[in-house]
Amino acid sequence: QVQLQESGPGLVKSSETLSLTCAVSGYSVSSGYYWGWTRQPPGKGLEWIGSIFHGGNSYYKPSLKGRATISVDTSRNHFSLKLNSVTAADTAIYYCARALVRGVITTSPDALDLWGQGTMVTVSS
Amino acid sequence: QSVLTQSPSASGTPGQRVTISCSGSSSNIGTYTVNWYQHLPGTAPKLLIYNNNQRPSGVPDRFSGSKSGTSASLAISGLHSEDEADYYCAAWDDSLNGDWVFGGGTKLTVL
Repeated sequence: QVQLQESGPGLVKSSETLSLTCAVSGYSVSSGYYWGWTRQPPGKGLEWIGSIFHGGNSYYKPSLKGRATISVDTSRNHFSLKLNSVTAADTAIYYCARALVRGVITTSPDALDLWGQGTMVTVSS
Repeated sequence: QSVLTQSPSASGTPGQRVTISCSGSSSNIGTYTVNWYQHLPGTAPKLLIYNNNQRPSGVPDRFSGSKSGTSASLAISGLHSEDEADYYCAAWDDSLNGDWVFGGGTKLTVL
């Protein structure tokens, strides 16, 4: 079956760049769907970060735009998140997820139908 | 503060029917479809309902979703102890160049 697995450093220093990778097994990231990231700060709810289609079309949370970049590596069948200039507010469990596709000619990410287990990232000062 | 509003908690006894509500506005629920997620802390969130009322394969028909105007609801009938989890609604919001917004989550306790 299709599985997603996050990996990356659990501790990042303030002002540096957070880098996470999501390995996809059982499905090709170039075969459709949007792929992206959502996070959950401690004691808070879910917050969508962004999603990308393998062809390059991407969407980001407006408040994170400029700091967040999601990319897809079809050769390794994984996708990645880079979040720069991190602060303590970026401390969270980060989940990678697959998103259904809305639209045909012009597409956008829809419901997140498959998620990874999540990885905790702490930003330290 | 979340763009979509959910009650922080709900409860019910086994076998009961419970409803979780989600309130939004014309820029999100009023225009776009609603999705619902079930999340047990420490595990991967699970898609329960998409397009307001569609269940992904494998989700029991005890779970149902509905939408009216700028509000949506998730109903769980025949409550099971394993339904104890956090439930989140989500919708696209077009007020600021587009954004997926979640509700703050409702913690469901099975008494």
